[in-house]
Amino acid sequence: GAVVSQHPSWVICKSGTSVKIECRSLDFQATTMFWYRQFPKQSLMLMATSNEGSKATYEQGVEKDKFLINHASLTLSTLTVTSAHPEDSSFYICSASGGWTKNIQYFGAGTRLSVL
Amino acid sequence: AQSVTQPDIHITVSEGASLELRCNYSYGATPYLFWYVQSPGQGLQLLLKYFSGDTLVQGIKGFEAEFKRSQSSFNLRKPSVHWSDAAEYFCAVGASGGSNYKLTFGKGTLLTVNP
Repeated sequence: GAVVSQHPSWVICKSGTSVKIECRSLDFQATTMFWYRQFPKQSLMLMATSNEGSKATYEQGVEKDKFLINHASLTLSTLTVTSAHPEDSSFYICSASGGWTKNIQYFGAGTRLSVL
Repeated sequence: AQSVTQPDIHITVSEGASLELRCNYSYGATPYLFWYVQSPGQGLQLLLKYFSGDTLVQGIKGFEAEFKRSQSSFNLRKPSVHWSDAAEYFCAVGASGGSNYKLTFGKGTLLTVNP
């Protein structure tokens, strides 16, 4: 299967600071990338969908200015949590699809964000 | 709008026993169906998928799933469970066509395997 790398796997930051999470497709061109948030013992909640070179499409209720998504190349998308607060603490997972992956989303290993 | 129901929140089986995880979906057209597995603190790994064709699909790690349109189901099965299969399992449905489709996930089923 396709390989998606997500970095960092765990980050701790102070309240009010910004954190950037990277998602890379290593062996395919990801025309579309997705960002999910997962609360403990719960399912994945789609936050936004991004197409390479275009602005991200956010799901209802997700703050665009809080969660900045950039998909500037076919192998890299970033999620920046701006002015993070403790309630932003969560597990964030990206997925990617495109090229030979044929409508299948391949997932990164996730990033655990803890805001103090 | 599409939706997925996984009726079982938690299932416990003994190692070597057979396993069936249930998944029901709601979607107006032909769905793309997926089963993913998530180990603690990890991302999701694709077990298998159904797009079209043979309704019994084989996946990795000895898993299989059967698409039953009449029952709107896509249950996951394994004939003999291994301790390493303990994890959270998610069923998902995607809109057919295009690469911008969204996945809708069920709430997941946590599998515990007793020795």
